[in-house]
Amino acid sequence: AQSVAQPEDQVNVAEGNPLTVKCTYSVSGNPYLFWYVQYPNRGLQFLLKYITGDNLVKGSYGFEAEFNKSQTSFHLKKPSALVSDSALYFCAVRDKYGNKLVFGAGTILRVKS
Amino acid sequence: NAGVTQTPKFRVLKTGQSMTLLCAQDMNHEYMYWYRQDPGMGLRLIHYSVGEGTTAKGEVPDGYNVSRLKKQNFLLGLESAAPSQTSVYFCASSWGLAAFNEQFFGPGTRLTVL
Repeated sequence: AQSVAQPEDQVNVAEGNPLTVKCTYSVSGNPYLFWYVQYPNRGLQFLLKYITGDNLVKGSYGFEAEFNKSQTSFHLKKPSALVSDSALYFCAVRDKYGNKLVFGAGTILRVKS
Repeated sequence: NAGVTQTPKFRVLKTGQSMTLLCAQDMNHEYMYWYRQDPGMGLRLIHYSVGEGTTAKGEVPDGYNVSRLKKQNFLLGLESAAPSQTSVYFCASSWGLAAFNEQFFGPGTRLTVL
């Protein structure tokens, strides 16, 4: 079955430092991968997706993600973290039937000033 | 544009009571989804719809029913609420399949079943 794993429940980083939120996937066939962000008391917002093409995907708010097929990973990155980036981040993958998403458990990102 | 709206924002039910959650979108999207969010479990798909008049089961459909009588609305019903249905419920919509396209989410409904 298609699945994603977010191995860290929480990531702490200082403002101005680079951040990485990890995601690994397990799929049969081509992986279609997404990152969503949830700010407190809000619904999820789309950040970026990988369908095909360049392994480095650029998204909203200065975020990017690197698709690595050999390591089956799709880590979310940002060169310089902001306090306002503090939120809950979800990685997701297309399900085996191809018409829905399967979400990871989420990673809390805390950026301290 | 309001995007995706959900009604109500909060609700407390007693075990066995029924209720309907309303989701509305003004983006003319074909696809609509209902998810539940529980701590440590991410989002799980309850039901979804690929167009007006259609519905399909997701990952955790038991205890819920849905209807899509109008393209812009997607209703989620709980016929006999149970404490296990205490959760935050999110509605989402997309113009194409969620597996390929951005989903737009509503603000959520926090439901507590006593």
